[in-house]
Amino acid sequence: EADIYQTPRYLVIGTGKKITLECSQTMGHDKMYWYQQDPGMELHLIHYSYGVNSTEKGDLSSESTVSRIRTEHFPLTLESARPSHTSQYLCASSEYGGMSYEQYFGPGTRLTVT
Amino acid sequence: QQQVKQSPQSLIVQKGGISIINCAYENTAFDYFPWYQQFPGKGPALLIAIRPDVSEKKEGRFTISFNKSAKQFSLHIMDSQPGDSATYFCAASIRETGANNLFFGTGTRLTVIP
Repeated sequence: EADIYQTPRYLVIGTGKKITLECSQTMGHDKMYWYQQDPGMELHLIHYSYGVNSTEKGDLSSESTVSRIRTEHFPLTLESARPSHTSQYLCASSEYGGMSYEQYFGPGTRLTVT
Repeated sequence: QQQVKQSPQSLIVQKGGISIINCAYENTAFDYFPWYQQFPGKGPALLIAIRPDVSEKKEGRFTISFNKSAKQFSLHIMDSQPGDSATYFCAASIRETGANNLFFGTGTRLTVIP
């Protein structure tokens, strides 16, 4: 069982609200990721980080922002939620530059914006 | 542009049968090909992975077949069980850069009927 946690698991929120999705890992991994998963399953990388103070945009453009102040913590923020942000958000982590390239995923946050 | 193409989108197999999921890629720089398994309400988890220097890798009932010249790889699940019912994602990555960003296929929803 991977030691990566996401809160909340489910969130229903109104349009225009600011939200932060939390992600924490206890494996000491340098690299962390955020994916957006469509209802139809497909995973899209929206943000990643190589380590503290590093953030990069992924393949899918997103209005969200991320920060990496601590190795174990990689929160995602939406300043003003819209119905188009309704999706499942998955956080993951992995070693960086080591021998293992496995990404460990959290259970996800299912976000619904009304 | 989808870096990794996956088919079929859904698959129904009788218990005891063989499940086969196929993936194709274009980027010859890819050198790591994992398969992830995702159960409802959970994040994806690594199932099995292969590097392009081998043509086949087997772990229990799960086998990856890899055809470098055709730029294709597939997952075979032997003696499929109802507990194998899940969504399966193929992926590809370029290990040598150390970046470890995974490009996922679109997913296959497998249902194994008793």
